[in-house]
Amino acid sequence: DTEVTQTPKHLVMGMTNKKSLKCEQHMGHRAMYWYKQKAKKPPELMFVYSYEKLSINESVPSRFSPECPNSSLLNLHLHALQPEDSALYLCASSTRQGKSQPQHFGDGTRLSIL
Amino acid sequence: AQKVTQAQTEISVVEKEDVTLDCVYETRDTTYYLFWYKQPPSGELVFLIRRNSFDEQNEISGRYSWNFQKSTSSFNFTITASQVVDSAVYFCALSEDIIQGAQKLVFGQGTRLTINP
Repeated sequence: DTEVTQTPKHLVMGMTNKKSLKCEQHMGHRAMYWYKQKAKKPPELMFVYSYEKLSINESVPSRFSPECPNSSLLNLHLHALQPEDSALYLCASSTRQGKSQPQHFGDGTRLSIL
Repeated sequence: AQKVTQAQTEISVVEKEDVTLDCVYETRDTTYYLFWYKQPPSGELVFLIRRNSFDEQNEISGRYSWNFQKSTSSFNFTITASQVVDSAVYFCALSEDIIQGAQKLVFGQGTRLTINP
């Protein structure tokens, strides 16, 4: 079982809906990440939180809004998404020791936009 | 800029065959870290191994082995006596520091491995 838990596992929504993806880890990691992965492609980094502060936004459209309520939780709020936003959304976490440490990934949320 | 190349897009072998997945990287850092991840159809990326630039020893873990060669900037992954459960997409990645306490993974394009019974 993964130590990073993502909910829901599947989500179908219309372009006018508002929904949220949730990610939780209890490993004491202080860096958390959101990735988007299209079919047959590697994951693409979207956001990085370090010590609960947004540190990196990889030019992600504003219809994606991240939130880190505490050191264990990471949310991704979705609004007015487009069909091209359909993808697997992965959450990951790592310790604060930087590039030497592996990232631990959740199972992902498969998102479909109608 | 850092770059990871996995030239093999797809590999298909029959069960019990040995298979090697290639990974070539580019970096200007003197200290760097390489990773291999496995992504089964369920979607989760599973961490397999980490290698730092100062440790060129090959690693063996059961049926898995890794060959790190700085001279050719390669970090190849071999599965011995492959099994159907090894079927997955495998990613090689290079990490870089972006801010204090966080890192960015530079992924290769991935190799889709299919093991046929």
